[in-house]
Amino acid sequence: AQKVTQAQTEISVVEKEDVTLDCVYETRDTTYYLFWYKQPPSGELVFLIRRNSFDEQNEISGRYSWNFQKSTSSFNFTITASQVVDSAVYFCALSEADNYQLIWGAGTKLIIKP
Amino acid sequence: NAGVTQTPKFQVLKTGQSMTLQCAQDMNHEYMSWYRQDPGMGLRLIHYSVGAGITDQGEVPNGYNVSRSTTEDFPLRLLSAAPSQTSVYFCASSYSPSHEQYFGPGTRLTVT
Repeated sequence: AQKVTQAQTEISVVEKEDVTLDCVYETRDTTYYLFWYKQPPSGELVFLIRRNSFDEQNEISGRYSWNFQKSTSSFNFTITASQVVDSAVYFCALSEADNYQLIWGAGTKLIIKP
Repeated sequence: NAGVTQTPKFQVLKTGQSMTLQCAQDMNHEYMSWYRQDPGMGLRLIHYSVGAGITDQGEVPNGYNVSRSTTEDFPLRLLSAAPSQTSVYFCASSYSPSHEQYFGPGTRLTVT
């Protein structure tokens, strides 16, 4: 059965520390897509990244990087030199090619202390 | 482009009342969906649509109806509000379920 697990309910770090948010997924499909979304305290949901199952290249965007490893069914998200503005709830999600419903993780609340 | 718009932003209902949450998008997206988010929790899918005239149930459809008469609009109807429906409701749209979703700002609903 398809599933997305974000085992870290809440992470608290001091500004400028690096932090990694874990996402582990389960699927039987060979074609699938993985996403990360950010929900800052203001409440809106913001798309961060989409990755398909055939592209295992790591992605870097500024201070954000994503590590996709099919061998461990993980799609982890790292923030380098964290800033207070990174404080938010981060969601990982899975879309399977033959499923119209996205599977969402429970989210990880990230608190960056000044 | 306005993106995804939702109205109202806030609503208070009494138990048993009905209402419609409006959602519209101007990106010509075929896929639209409604989620609810309860405090401290993730997103739960209520209903979704893969195109005009086609809707289906998500994880928590009971107490809600949807219709999709146009590509742009996807209203969510609460038939007889219950306190358990107190939540924040998000509408989203995308080209397909495999593409990134664009979310509306949300509607905060309180049922007393």
